[in-house]
Amino acid sequence: GAVVSQHPSRVICKSGTSVKIECRSLDFQATTMFWYRQFPKKSLMLMATSNEGSKATYEQGVEKDKFLINHASLTLSTLTVTSAHPEDSSFYICSGNGRYGDTQYFGPGTRLTVL
Amino acid sequence: GESVGLHLPTLSVQEGDNSIINCAYSNSASDYFIWYKQESGKGPQFIIDIRSNMDKRQGQRVTVLLNKTVKHLSLQIAATQPGDSAVYFCAEGGSSGGYNKLIFGAGTRLAVHP
Repeated sequence: GAVVSQHPSRVICKSGTSVKIECRSLDFQATTMFWYRQFPKKSLMLMATSNEGSKATYEQGVEKDKFLINHASLTLSTLTVTSAHPEDSSFYICSGNGRYGDTQYFGPGTRLTVL
Repeated sequence: GESVGLHLPTLSVQEGDNSIINCAYSNSASDYFIWYKQESGKGPQFIIDIRSNMDKRQGQRVTVLLNKTVKHLSLQIAATQPGDSAVYFCAEGGSSGGYNKLIFGAGTRLAVHP
């Protein structure tokens, strides 16, 4: 139980284009989903928290206009990196709260490379 | 500010030995702690959690110990196997960010040698 999927697993795009990453909770309903960014050999950095049907809450320093988050249902959240630049290249990971609201279950991550 | 850190960035052990990964946290208001395992190129995998009203919790080959007096958390892995090689993160929750928000430590790499 508590399986989270992400799509795509890898994406390469040109600078200036936008990329959408999907996060789905497959066997549970996640009222809250989280988006993290991880640089090589570093820990997870929380970007934003999203609750189904409401606007996402972004962490300090994260540009909300650049990283658009939509949490349209209890099983789907999307992160769109707009006008991507090489410095946006990173490993993006989503998670969803489990049944009891505190344990987070993570997706497999999406490797974004911006050329 | 809040911080969760690890004492050892890299831990090397022999296959079959027991491993102990340590973590220090600074926010005494935190009341929920989780250990995650992350293999290269993958997302973190839940291992075990513990609440602040407990000081020990056991799972399959893993034990988490919580010492609230010194704000220290540890993960013990019994009979370590090559498949245990990964980066291990501790995370804290339930404090100022609410139960939803987790703060992750820097991570410890566990290398298991045959």
